[in-house]
Amino acid sequence: SQKIEQNSEALNIQEGKTATLTCNYTNYSPAYLQWYRQDPGRGPVFLLLIRENEKEKRKERLKVTFDTTLKQSLFHITASQPADSATYLCALLSGGSYIPTFGRGTSLIVHP
Amino acid sequence: EADIYQTPRYLVIGTGKKITLECSQTMGHDKMYWYQQDPGMELHLIHYSYGVNSTEKGDLSSESTVSRIRTEHFPLTLESARPSHTSQYLCASSDLAQFFGPGTRLTVL
Repeated sequence: SQKIEQNSEALNIQEGKTATLTCNYTNYSPAYLQWYRQDPGRGPVFLLLIRENEKEKRKERLKVTFDTTLKQSLFHITASQPADSATYLCALLSGGSYIPTFGRGTSLIVHP
Repeated sequence: EADIYQTPRYLVIGTGKKITLECSQTMGHDKMYWYQQDPGMELHLIHYSYGVNSTEKGDLSSESTVSRIRTEHFPLTLESARPSHTSQYLCASSDLAQFFGPGTRLTVL
């Protein structure tokens, strides 16, 4: 069955460092991979989308990589700030489908 | 400004009551979704719609029903609320990425 794995343990880092979150998947051939941010009690907020034929995507302090051979995406936040503390979800979308599969998310805590 | 709205934000209600959770979007999207999420847990898709008069059940079995009479409106109804329905309900619309509303926190006593 299709499976998405995100680290269930919270990632704790110091302000100013680069945070790196991992999304691994199995039994899936996604056409698109997305990253979302979710704050407690709120709906997820879309951050970035990367296509299967793209290796890397950047937006301001965010960078996403997508390795379809390793079946893995890495999400980086450079110069992290306490305001970046949240849960980050990855989601996969097959070509021709509009129903994404969401991971459970990884909590990021940035300490001042 | 294009956005997606949910009302009410919080609802506490007694067992057996009928409730409707409202969701509206001004994004111009055809596709809309309802998810259920408990604190610290993953999102579960309960209903989706690809356009007017189109509704489908999602992966998670739900006793709720939905309707899609207008493109911008996708309400969710529980005919008889039970304590097991206590959860957060999130509405979303999409082109490729999903855009979520703020959610409704439902508590059934």
